[in-house]
Amino acid sequence: QVQLQESGPGLVKPSQTLSLTCTVSGGSISSGSYYWSWIRQPAGKGLEWIGRIYTSGSTNYNPSLKSRVTISVDTSKNQFSLKLSSVTAADTAVYYCARDQDGSGSYWFDPWGQGTLVTVSS
Amino acid sequence: SSELTQDPAVSVALGQTVRITCQGDSLRSYYASWYQQKPGQAPVLVIYGKNNRPSGIPDRFSGSSSGNTASLTITGAQAEDEADYYCNSRDSSGNRVVVFGGGTKLTVL
Repeated sequence: QVQLQESGPGLVKPSQTLSLTCTVSGGSISSGSYYWSWIRQPAGKGLEWIGRIYTSGSTNYNPSLKSRVTISVDTSKNQFSLKLSSVTAADTAVYYCARDQDGSGSYWFDPWGQGTLVTVSS
Repeated sequence: SSELTQDPAVSVALGQTVRITCQGDSLRSYYASWYQQKPGQAPVLVIYGKNNRPSGIPDRFSGSSSGNTASLTITGAQAEDEADYYCNSRDSSGNRVVVFGGGTKLTVL
């Protein structure tokens, strides 16, 4: 079955760019009608959707983060990536990647990666 | 602020039935999906679409919807169901944007 794994620096300095990669295994990132999303969760708080990408390169972003977010895909490596610029302490969170499906009148995320903690601190 | 509203906490006696709700304008047009999250773990999808369970999810979990409210019902709650539960849907603008509810902490007594 498809599995996702996040990777990237666990510590980022304020004002710099957070960069994470999600590696998809057990299946091709290009197969099926799936989107691929990033979601984050600050400690003790709820889930916040960041954005998604289709393997064609089409993207949708959370309006509250849109000016700072770029999501890209590398189908040759079966990976997709997140860049979040001008980070502050408020961007400290566990970042998840997930497969994103649209159908049956709803959106759902399944499966999810295990998550990676990114701390923004000098 | 979230466009989907959930009660912060709900409790249920072991073996009883509990309903967790999610309210929002977008739910008049789209179904909610539901996730279970235990401490230190990634969320797990439990319900999607009108009332669909992924493989491996017990049939005590079910979903329903009426008006602007979606519900996740656990019939015969078990100790292992104690967790945070989140709903998600499209946003009410109709754009291809996802919103999550704030989450409900379920305690099984």
